[in-house]
Amino acid sequence: AQSVTQLGSHVSVSEGALVLLRCNYSSSVPPYLFWYVQYPNQGLQLLLKYTSAATLVKGINGFEAEFKKSETSFHLTKPSAHMSDAAEYFCAVSDRRSGGSNYKLTFGKGTLLTVNP
Amino acid sequence: GAGVSQSPSNKVTEKGKDVELRCDPISGHTALYWYRQRLGQGLEFLIYFQGNSAPDKSGLPSDRFSAERTGESVSTLTIQRTQQEDSAVYLCASSYQHEQFFGPGTRLTVL
Repeated sequence: AQSVTQLGSHVSVSEGALVLLRCNYSSSVPPYLFWYVQYPNQGLQLLLKYTSAATLVKGINGFEAEFKKSETSFHLTKPSAHMSDAAEYFCAVSDRRSGGSNYKLTFGKGTLLTVNP
Repeated sequence: GAGVSQSPSNKVTEKGKDVELRCDPISGHTALYWYRQRLGQGLEFLIYFQGNSAPDKSGLPSDRFSAERTGESVSTLTIQRTQQEDSAVYLCASSYQHEQFFGPGTRLTVL
């Protein structure tokens, strides 16, 4: 079974500071990994995804994440936080079974990012 | 183009009533997923449809929950005899290959 752990349900940073949101996963097969962002009263928007190409993945809005197999981690970073980054962030893993088409996602519980002026 | 749409956006119902939630996927997306997001929790997988194949119902929490989809079109999620623990946001996603695109969700409140 797959699982995702997001360390820190709430992270607060100052505007312009580094953003680091942690995600660790467990999976019995090579995974696909995703970060989604959810703004209040909205659906989820894909920030970035890892699908076995480059281990450092760049996404939208200046975010990036690095897949580290040895650490089973996929932490999300952004060098300089902006007020508009305040939202909830979800890490998710899906099963990359060959020949299958069901990529159901297993999500972490989310991290609420607050950006202080 | 148009994204995934869901209706209603909000639904308040009384305990014991049945509710039906609707999802309109992105045209051409063969796969469709339903998830549930309870307060303070991540999303939980409910059910998966792929074309005319048998759906993966492994995430449905009880037999009060059911869903239908005809071909690659609209899907409906039905909850019978609603209970207070069913209160949540129900999100639908349609998918092309391994990337899922989410709708805005339906917020269900069971009084």
